[in-house]
Amino acid sequence: IAGITQAPTSQILAAGRRMTLRCTQDMRHNAMYWYRQDLGLGLRLIHYSNTAGTTGKGEVPDGYSVSRANTDDFPLTLASAVPSQTSVYFCASSEGSEDTEAFFGQGTRLTVV
Amino acid sequence: GQNIDQPTEMTATEGAIVQINCTYQTSGFNGLFWYQQHAGEAPTFLSYNVLDGLEEKGRFSSFLSRSKGYSYLLLKELQMKDSASYLCAVRDSNYQLIWGAGTKLIIKP
Repeated sequence: IAGITQAPTSQILAAGRRMTLRCTQDMRHNAMYWYRQDLGLGLRLIHYSNTAGTTGKGEVPDGYSVSRANTDDFPLTLASAVPSQTSVYFCASSEGSEDTEAFFGQGTRLTVV
Repeated sequence: GQNIDQPTEMTATEGAIVQINCTYQTSGFNGLFWYQQHAGEAPTFLSYNVLDGLEEKGRFSSFLSRSKGYSYLLLKELQMKDSASYLCAVRDSNYQLIWGAGTKLIIKP
């Protein structure tokens, strides 16, 4: 089934641990994004990639890193998790950065304790 | 700073019409988006406006006034499945999406 897949679906993580959230899309979209969604706040952009091999910082990049080695995969890494990173994380993709529609993965619910 | 405002929660009756408003202040404007998000699920695209006026798509319509920094999403013939959060987002001068916190729409029979 074509689309965008995130893993894991949910995770409880001890503070200080390293964690990588995986995101894979099979739509050959050039642009990919990582957002976090917190209660009462809008989606906030963490990092983005307009094309394979390039990445950029969003609104809330601190504590997170990304890589875009190929078109399909866009992993998000928390180097040393802190409780404030407890959130729901969404990966999204679009054909281009100026495209009108973004497709979202199902989200990863991360709890840092 | 950049800001997107929309009501936190609205209630409407099945079969009725509801209008969800969104006002924005952003650095530049390259389009306004509406997404629907059911509880525990991913956002899904509903509409896109870049020029002033009304865009109609079935039971859903979206309106934009760039001079007023204002948009609304109009949902007609409400169904129980329309119970969801509706997210307004504006693409700024850097082509990044700025998101509102969403409006939770509750549909009552």
